[in-house]
Amino acid sequence: AQKITQTQPGMFVQEKEAVTLDCTYDTSDQSYGLFWYKQPSSGEMIFLIYQGSYDEQNATEGRYSLNFQKARKSANLVISASQLGDSAMYFCAMREEETSGSRLTFGEGTQLTVNP
Amino acid sequence: GAVVSQHPSRVICKSGTSVKIECRSLDFQATTMFWYRQFPKQSLMLMATSNEGSKATYEQGVEKDKFLINHASLTLSTLTVTSAHPEDSSFYICSARAPSTDTQYFGPGTRLTVL
Repeated sequence: AQKITQTQPGMFVQEKEAVTLDCTYDTSDQSYGLFWYKQPSSGEMIFLIYQGSYDEQNATEGRYSLNFQKARKSANLVISASQLGDSAMYFCAMREEETSGSRLTFGEGTQLTVNP
Repeated sequence: GAVVSQHPSRVICKSGTSVKIECRSLDFQATTMFWYRQFPKQSLMLMATSNEGSKATYEQGVEKDKFLINHASLTLSTLTVTSAHPEDSSFYICSARAPSTDTQYFGPGTRLTVL
């Protein structure tokens, strides 16, 4: 079974609007972490936001927020007020601290295109 | 965020030669670094975990004699692709684990083309 599932291969959003990128995960660990990374066409992986499994509040970092629904095992990324520079590939990743230590498992990614 | 550099950013080599890629954590010490491979329009595939002062841990299916990893200091890990062949052409990207947050920060990647 896939550990990280990103069901949207591509998403389009108008500039200045908000967009939600979906991520569901599968783990039996009690302690785990969820990450979102952005990969522009240049190839670098940019860390955006982190949510720990024991964090009670949703993580926020500027225009990024993580909608963490533990019971549904989802960790969707919300980008508010989209900008043209947000166009990139976005990867959701999970760290299963009990079974995999610091290793990350990545989803297949979502290609976001912001239209002017 | 933390800064990780990777060198070279792009390399073209002939089949049969070896290529060394360096990964450096510039503003923190990383006891653990990771090496990934990424094919076009695909996700990252973990190749190995590099531990400072000890042998790397390779993922299943990754040839350790082909992809030599050395993590000689707390800020430097190297990946050497030995006797490279065209099928080794890919985007190689490293990451370093920041101990304070346990977050992986990535280098800018190396695009390897083997002719």
